[in-house]
Formats: sequence, structure tokens, C-alpha cells
Amino acid sequence: GDSVTQMEGPVTLSEEAFLTINCTYTATGYPSLFWYVQYPGEGLQLLLKATKADDKGSNKGFEATYRKETTSFHLEKGSVQVSDSAVYFCALSDRGGTSYGKLTFGQGTILTVHP
Amino acid sequence: ETGVTQSPTHLIKTRGQQVTLRCSSQSGHNTVSWYQQALGQGPQFIFQYYREEENGRGNFPPRFSGLQFPNYSSELNVNALELDDSALYLCASSLEAGEETQYFGPGTRLLVL
Repeated sequence: GDSVTQMEGPVTLSEEAFLTINCTYTATGYPSLFWYVQYPGEGLQLLLKATKADDKGSNKGFEATYRKETTSFHLEKGSVQVSDSAVYFCALSDRGGTSYGKLTFGQGTILTVHP
Repeated sequence: ETGVTQSPTHLIKTRGQQVTLRCSSQSGHNTVSWYQQALGQGPQFIFQYYREEENGRGNFPPRFSGLQFPNYSSELNVNALELDDSALYLCASSLEAGEETQYFGPGTRLLVL
């Protein structure tokens, strides 16, 4: 079945540091890939997405490129801020599945950014 | 445009009881999905409703059931609550069943004692 694996956390960085959160996936079809962010006490917010190989999703300085050859969708940001502290989830939606639009999530990576 | 809303925000129940959680989808969205997020884990898909019919289900027992109403709002019902049902329950809406991008509500935190 479909699965998503994220790098183990938590990740602690200083402000303005470079961020990478690794994500790899297994899917039977041709999935769309997503990054969601969850701030303390809140639900999930869509951060960015990519729907086909080599697509780059970007939003608020975050980027991720859909790499079919390595089945990866790593999240990057060049300069993190304290306000980026949150839990980040990688997810996929497998268009070949019977539950069209069902999201499969990774376990989440906690990011803490210190001033 | 109103986003996805859920009620209540928090709930405490005892083992064996039943609970109903509610969700109002984003304006114009006819598809609602429910997810269970245990502490420290990623959300797990429970089921999806499209135009008042169940449109897919994850690996959850039948005591997890749902409804969708003509205005596309939705309920999640859980019977015979177990301690492991303690979690954050998230509702997400999308424009159509075939639309992959889902918009999440703030969740209902359920504690089963």
C-alpha cells in the first residue's frame, strides 16, 4: 500500500539557518505530493503541492521538488524564522487508488527555530 | 469565504460511550474527509463523503460511522468508545471527490477516560 516516510525529528535550528526535511514515498500509481504544516493547537494548513514528476511546489519561501526517480519530495527553505516553528507533514494522494483524494501522511517532523 | 469549522473543540468521554463530532465544509465544497490524528502521529484516513454517500473508507472498524447532509456538512459518530480513540479528529473538505487538495478544520480533541 501507499506510505510516506519523513526524516526523524525533532529538528532544531537557529534563525536564518537553512532547512531540509526529507520525505520519501511508496505508491502504486502516480501520486500528487503535498506538504502540510500544523501550528500548535491548530489543524493542518496546506503549504505546497506538486502533481507530477519534476514539478516544484513553492510557498512562503518553502520549496519542494517532485523526484520520481528517487521517490522523494524534500522540503527546503533558505532562511528559517522563529515563526516557522511547527510540525511539518509530507503527504500523498494516489490517483490510482479506490479512495480518490485520500491523503496518506508521514509521521510529521517537529521544527523548532531559536532566535 | 468561510473555512472549514468543527465542533466541539474539546470533548471528554468515558469508555463505552458514544460521541458525535460535527464539521461544516468550506463554502462550495461537496466532499468531506475525516482523519484521526493520535498524539505524535500523522493523520490517518477514516472515510470520505461525497454528495451524502460514503466514497471510501480507511482501516477503521464499523463503530466509526458518518453522515453527510444536503448542505454538505458532516458528522462523525463513534460508538463503544475505547481508550485508543483518544485523538485529534480532523475534518477536511474539497471542491469535488476528484479534487486532491483538501482544506482542514481546526479539529476536535477527544479524550476517552
